[in-house]
Amino acid sequence: DAGITQSPRHKVTETGTPVTLRCHQTENHRYMYWYRQDPGHGLRLIHYSYGVKDTDKGEVSDGYSVSRSKTEDFLLTLESATSSQTSVYFCAISEGRGNEQYFGPGTRLTVT
Amino acid sequence: KNQVEQSPQSLIILEGKNCTLQCNYTVSPFSNLRWYKQDTGRGPVSLTIMTFSENTKSNGRYTATLDADTKQSSLHITASQLSDSASYICVVNPPNTDKLIFGTGTRLQVFP
Repeated sequence: DAGITQSPRHKVTETGTPVTLRCHQTENHRYMYWYRQDPGHGLRLIHYSYGVKDTDKGEVSDGYSVSRSKTEDFLLTLESATSSQTSVYFCAISEGRGNEQYFGPGTRLTVT
Repeated sequence: KNQVEQSPQSLIILEGKNCTLQCNYTVSPFSNLRWYKQDTGRGPVSLTIMTFSENTKSNGRYTATLDADTKQSSLHITASQLSDSASYICVVNPPNTDKLIFGTGTRLQVFP
């Protein structure tokens, strides 16, 4: 998985609790992305980062925030998890705009 | 209407047979069009990337074609193997953006 790890790999949490997912890369790539994958939908971009402390919203950013304090780590936070955020979350990295994106192994999140 | 539509949704073939997966898109022009393979429980892995001006790209037994006039791309798999069982996702990268547009994928099952 191209030097990308995600943690945790599985999580079950209750509605209303905060959740943080971590993406860690060893490739020193500038761009990092968070996607969610749901049945019947293609992968959808939540947020992405184009450098340390530089982030932007994707198409489904409501209810999510991100932080990138160093090149190798990109955190996704659900401030107050809802059942609609039950999904599989993928992190991806790329060297630059338009370049190949390499995906992590995914985190399966269940909000009960 | 989805900007990237794939067909069929699912496909079953016998080992050793060839198959072709279809992708219709509305985004034109684009920076590149990608095909990814996603094994169950794993992140997507890139198979091919084609620029708008290319009309074919191969990666071993996988050959992607592009017809910009009809806004269609195909992924042809030759001499299928059991390990080809996976979802295949067509992705379009619009110009001047990192926000990829993902199809919902074709689920391929190869049986002995």
